[in-house]
Amino acid sequence: DQQVKQNSPSLSVQEGRISILNCDYTNSMFDYFLWYKKYPAEGPTFLISISSIKDKNEDGRFTVFLNKSAKHLSLHIVPSQPGDSAVYFCAASSPAAGNNRKLIWGLGTSLAVNP
Amino acid sequence: GAGVSQSPSNKVTEKGKDVELRCDPISGHTALYWYRQSLGQGLEFLIYFQGNSAPDKSGLPSDRFSAERTGGSVSTLTIQRTQQEDSAVYLCASSRSGVTDTQYFGPGTRLTVL
Repeated sequence: DQQVKQNSPSLSVQEGRISILNCDYTNSMFDYFLWYKKYPAEGPTFLISISSIKDKNEDGRFTVFLNKSAKHLSLHIVPSQPGDSAVYFCAASSPAAGNNRKLIWGLGTSLAVNP
Repeated sequence: GAGVSQSPSNKVTEKGKDVELRCDPISGHTALYWYRQSLGQGLEFLIYFQGNSAPDKSGLPSDRFSAERTGGSVSTLTIQRTQQEDSAVYLCASSRSGVTDTQYFGPGTRLTVL
């Protein structure tokens, strides 16, 4: 049962336009959300995070929006660049006993930014 | 700069053989994670080490899988009697302390079981 869902396996966007990657979750206890980017043959790299006390976090061209009532978050990339072409993973975490938090990962969305 | 390193980068083995995958985390990181990514799938959590605490093994898919972390640093993931469904990319990550810290991933080990 996927607690973190990325329903679009792929997305294609024109260079310079906005890329919007979506992520839905089912566990209302999640209080911390992250986006990672993965290029082929490399491990994922951290992109941006957001705590549940916020509804927006911005870092340069990347903005993450959190809608707690809808259990939905989205990553906006603007303007999109060809180098942004990668697989984007959404991940979430909930408080657990002790220090035993885990990240629950989505299946990823493959973004292609076309020149 | 020393990131997370994993070895080997590729491993081809025959069904039924044992394999060992190694992870060298970033120095000073107390948390270490193993994941695997099968073809077309997301990241599947396997095991999590945090300092001297007992590891969280809740993601290990069967008792053929085990992992150790010696001296709070290097970790070895062992798969005994490999099966074809074990074929995947095995990723290791480390973070400074807990899960809310950024996880730094290694490049992964691609395991192919023939």
